[in-house]
Amino acid sequence: RKEVEQDPGPFNVPEGATVAFNCTYSNSASQSFFWYRQDCRKEPKLLMSVYSSGNEDGRFTAQLNRASQYISLLIRDSKLSDSATYLCVVARTGGFKTIFGAGTRLFVKA
Amino acid sequence: GAVVSQHPSRVICKSGTSVKIECRSLDFQATTMFWYRQFPKKSLMLMATSNEGSKATYEQGVEKDKFLINHASLTLSTLTVTSAHPEDSSFYICSAITVGEQFFGPGTRLTVL
Repeated sequence: RKEVEQDPGPFNVPEGATVAFNCTYSNSASQSFFWYRQDCRKEPKLLMSVYSSGNEDGRFTAQLNRASQYISLLIRDSKLSDSATYLCVVARTGGFKTIFGAGTRLFVKA
Repeated sequence: GAVVSQHPSRVICKSGTSVKIECRSLDFQATTMFWYRQFPKKSLMLMATSNEGSKATYEQGVEKDKFLINHASLTLSTLTVTSAHPEDSSFYICSAITVGEQFFGPGTRLTVL
């Protein structure tokens, strides 16, 4: 079993749609959680950290359920520019030794 | 944000040659850097943790004699792919941590013919 698993996608949605991505992790000792965005042939960039209380940044909402070892990302009012691969990332205890999920591809169409 | 650079951005080499990739933190010091590789349509796979002044820590399944890592200064880590083969063709990305955030280099695309 992979340490971090995500919906493989791709998700094809129209502009303005709401889309949700799910992610599960297997190491219960994992401490930090993130969503990254990666555009084709580019390096990953931090989208947002994920906190136990849930957090929101504009159109993006992240949730963490430690009991179920589950992370989610909700994107509201999708834009064409949101098209990318979204990576669920888990940091092991002791620092930033990060493990990436395989990513979920999102295509937002006009 | 902080800047991490990599050089070269793209390299094509013949099978059997060695290739060195540099990772630099441009505006901060990094005692720890990480090296990842990414195959097409796959996610980043952590290869090793590079520690300044000491040996790198390799992930399970990564050959330390194949992928030599040197972290000689607080701003530079190098990854050398020794005796490269076509299966080593991949996108190699480094990252460094500062002020509690991880920053990635732009990546190096290696093609071994």
